[in-house]
Amino acid sequence: DARVTQTPRHKVTEMGQEVTMRCQPILGHNTVFWYRQTMMQGLELLAYFRNRAPLDDSGMPKDRFSAEMPDATLATLKIQPSEPRDSAVYFCASGFGPPGIYEQYFGPGTRLTVT
Amino acid sequence: AQSVAQPEDQVNVAEGNPLTVKCTYSVSGNPYLFWYVQYPNRGLQFLLKYITGDNLVKGSYGFEAEFNKSQTSFHLKKPSALVSDSALYFCAVRAGGATNKLIFGTGTLLAVQP
Repeated sequence: DARVTQTPRHKVTEMGQEVTMRCQPILGHNTVFWYRQTMMQGLELLAYFRNRAPLDDSGMPKDRFSAEMPDATLATLKIQPSEPRDSAVYFCASGFGPPGIYEQYFGPGTRLTVT
Repeated sequence: AQSVAQPEDQVNVAEGNPLTVKCTYSVSGNPYLFWYVQYPNRGLQFLLKYITGDNLVKGSYGFEAEFNKSQTSFHLKKPSALVSDSALYFCAVRAGGATNKLIFGTGTLLAVQP
């Protein structure tokens, strides 16, 4: 049963610290998404990649967030420095196929708490 | 710009009764529409989608959705609700152009009472 995996599942850190979240997309999927979910803002798209190339990161605060895909099996989302307002659940999702037609498969999320 | 609206923050229904979770959309071009479900402390799971073809789309767990072009709606339905259907439901539409991006609604919390 192919699944998207995310690590860590939970992260508590202090303001100013660097946070790295990792995602392993489903093997063979060529599109990877990073979302952030909060009670106030709902589900927000931060960035997405196709064939490892960044296609859209307009939803990401550029000064502190960065997203990369070092290889086809790993996507990373970094926050440096972290702030309390970054506390949220961060989801990775992957997909494959013609743009917008095929469903996205979500990972279990990383719950980030910044104190 | 593409958008979706879920007018109800919460829907309450008794177990065994039919349920409807509403979604309306605004798109330029053909709408590609999706429903996802999120159980507590879990990621979103795909339920069903409308790309083209029959207006009634059947999906996972006995859910179906009816695409109505004239009313620009894509309501999620189930004939008989289960307590285990209690979850957060998201409607989504593909963003414009040749993109994989989805625009999600704000979500509707479905509460099924025993």
